[in-house]
Amino acid sequence: EPEVTQTPSHQVTQMGQEVILRCVPISNHLYFYWYRQILGQKVEFLVSFYNNEISEKSEIFDDQFSVERPDGSNFTLKIRSTKLEDSAMYFCASGAGRKETQYFGPGTRLLVL
Amino acid sequence: GESVGLHLPTLSVQEGDNSIINCAYSNSASDYFIWYKQESGKGPQFIIDIRSNMDKRQGQRVTVLLNKTVKHLSLQIAATQPGDSAVYFCAEIPFNQAGTALIFGKGTTLSVSS
Repeated sequence: EPEVTQTPSHQVTQMGQEVILRCVPISNHLYFYWYRQILGQKVEFLVSFYNNEISEKSEIFDDQFSVERPDGSNFTLKIRSTKLEDSAMYFCASGAGRKETQYFGPGTRLLVL
Repeated sequence: GESVGLHLPTLSVQEGDNSIINCAYSNSASDYFIWYKQESGKGPQFIIDIRSNMDKRQGQRVTVLLNKTVKHLSLQIAATQPGDSAVYFCAEIPFNQAGTALIFGKGTTLSVSS
């Protein structure tokens, strides 16, 4: 069964450093998402991406964040200068259509020290 | 404020019982709802979804009920098993021309004892 994959599973970084989180969405999906979950809290939407551009973003997704689909399979989230409060689980998701089921990857646990 | 929430943060049941997990939503214009299961350290796993033109949808051992009058969503799990222990989130997509972002509730932790 196709699934969303994410790398790395864990990332530890120093405050102010740049991190890139990587995702491989399900191959025939067209909509791609990043969400985050701070420990013990609910999942929060960051950004959606369709047709090679951002289609929607939340207030969390400020200028420090960017997304890219560098090739036909990968979808990345970059945090330019990490802050302590960026520590969270980051989930990538993909969906086949605009209001279709979103399937989540296993997540990357980011710890900013 | 949040658009989607759950009535109870925790629910404890015995193996074999039926479980009912509830969710209240505030956006009456939402037209797509999903239940996800999240096990510790893993990503949300799709369980079942329902669109606003339906009241009920059944899957394998799970049923989702949608009451648009009172803006209430529930997930029923039949013959609950220890493997069902997890955090359950309801999520919605508000009706919006362009938006596809899921709005999640806080989650209910289901504990199943043998």
